[in-house]
Amino acid sequence: SQQGEEDPQALSIQEGENATMNCSYKTSINNLQWYRQNSGRGLVHLILIRSNEREKHSGRLRVTLDTSKKSSSLLITASRAADTASYFCATVSTRKTSYDKVIFGPGTSLSVIP
Amino acid sequence: NAGVTQTPKFRVLKTGQSMTLLCAQDMNHEYMYWYRQDPGMGLRLIHYSVGEGTTAKGEVPDGYNVSRLKKQNFLLGLESAAPSQTSVYFCASSYRGNTEAFFGQGTRLTVV
Repeated sequence: SQQGEEDPQALSIQEGENATMNCSYKTSINNLQWYRQNSGRGLVHLILIRSNEREKHSGRLRVTLDTSKKSSSLLITASRAADTASYFCATVSTRKTSYDKVIFGPGTSLSVIP
Repeated sequence: NAGVTQTPKFRVLKTGQSMTLLCAQDMNHEYMYWYRQDPGMGLRLIHYSVGEGTTAKGEVPDGYNVSRLKKQNFLLGLESAAPSQTSVYFCASSYRGNTEAFFGQGTRLTVV
């Protein structure tokens, strides 16, 4: 079963607004990653946050991690039409019964209206 | 650097036919992955490899086989294609299992 679950499944906002997407996961993690996928393209890595970190920034992106609640959020500030894409959270668990691997959630579809 | 390259980009198969998808990476990464993406399901891990000569099962391995004879290549095989294998297939690679993954552009496979 998938490790991460994003919420909401779809989000539509006006250009210039902030967009917030949430991710919940089930087991202890080594790190959590966020990816973007433009329509018909491969995924592009945005940001990685380790289990001992609480917040990370990259340009207009802000990621928070709450390991006690097993959740993360991705905030995109001052959104642009070019931010229209699907966003996925992915986790690497700390389970030692198998090799480390990246497991993805179903994603959030973001539409930014000009 | 090309990054991760997948071939072919599109393919239509008849039920029961076989085919091999090729993934090549030029970043000297140890880990390579095959995912499938279906509407509303996100990416599901089929098989992965933690180094040359190794393979491991992911979340949905049935109906697929893989090989990693060379570090830079990871092959995904369908021995007898079924309509349920209609999907977009993505290959990815990473330096280690807990580092960022780099993706190819995908292969859109239709089984009729």
